[in-house]
Amino acid sequence: NFMLTQPHSVSESPGKTVTISCTRSSGSIASNYVQWYQQRPGSSPTTVIYEYDQRPSGVPDRFSGSIDSSSNSASLTIFGLKTEDEADYYCQSYDNSNWVFGGGTKLTVL
Amino acid sequence: QVQLQESGPGLVKPSETLSLTCSVSGYSISSGHYWGWIRQPPGKGLEWIANIYHSGSTYYNPSLRSRVTISVDTSKNQLSLKLTSVTAADTAVYYCARLMVRQFDPWGQGTLVTVSS
Repeated sequence: NFMLTQPHSVSESPGKTVTISCTRSSGSIASNYVQWYQQRPGSSPTTVIYEYDQRPSGVPDRFSGSIDSSSNSASLTIFGLKTEDEADYYCQSYDNSNWVFGGGTKLTVL
Repeated sequence: QVQLQESGPGLVKPSETLSLTCSVSGYSISSGHYWGWIRQPPGKGLEWIANIYHSGSTYYNPSLRSRVTISVDTSKNQLSLKLTSVTAADTAVYYCARLMVRQFDPWGQGTLVTVSS
């Protein structure tokens, strides 16, 4: 089984850009799609990116996903930060019938 | 629109069995998709527990496989979770969700289960 490692926390100012990484411990990041979820305090997770870089309808185009095979990682980039983006973000992937979540990253917008 | 609602006891004694139900509305489980359970201990991250298809095909988290049973009742449009021999480490918010091929979406609101005597 593999693990997905995320930074515990990141912070940035409104209007700036932030990138959250998600590194796969074994196996290629490109072998199975990566999804990103946003979880605001007291709420259930919602999808902001699926299949590496696809945005569900209703998610602003300020949210962008990508992968970097050289570092075996996926990234979530949020442009033009707003205070409403403050939340926990989780990456998720799967392999061999096992679904795995990253440990989560707390984004503070201040 | 699809909505999921978890229900079950909020308090379970150590060594007993945790049983939860997820009621699905706005979509028939029999129409397709996998359905899953995910949990989140207080202040911690998400942990996938299990997935099930309407036909009964199942997948389990290897670390929980020996204690978990997931099932589906298409006549009631519900899925269920049983977790045996619980300990304090099983205290968490338990979510059910639809697996949209790749991503879990939507999720239920979650139900907190506390394991304590």
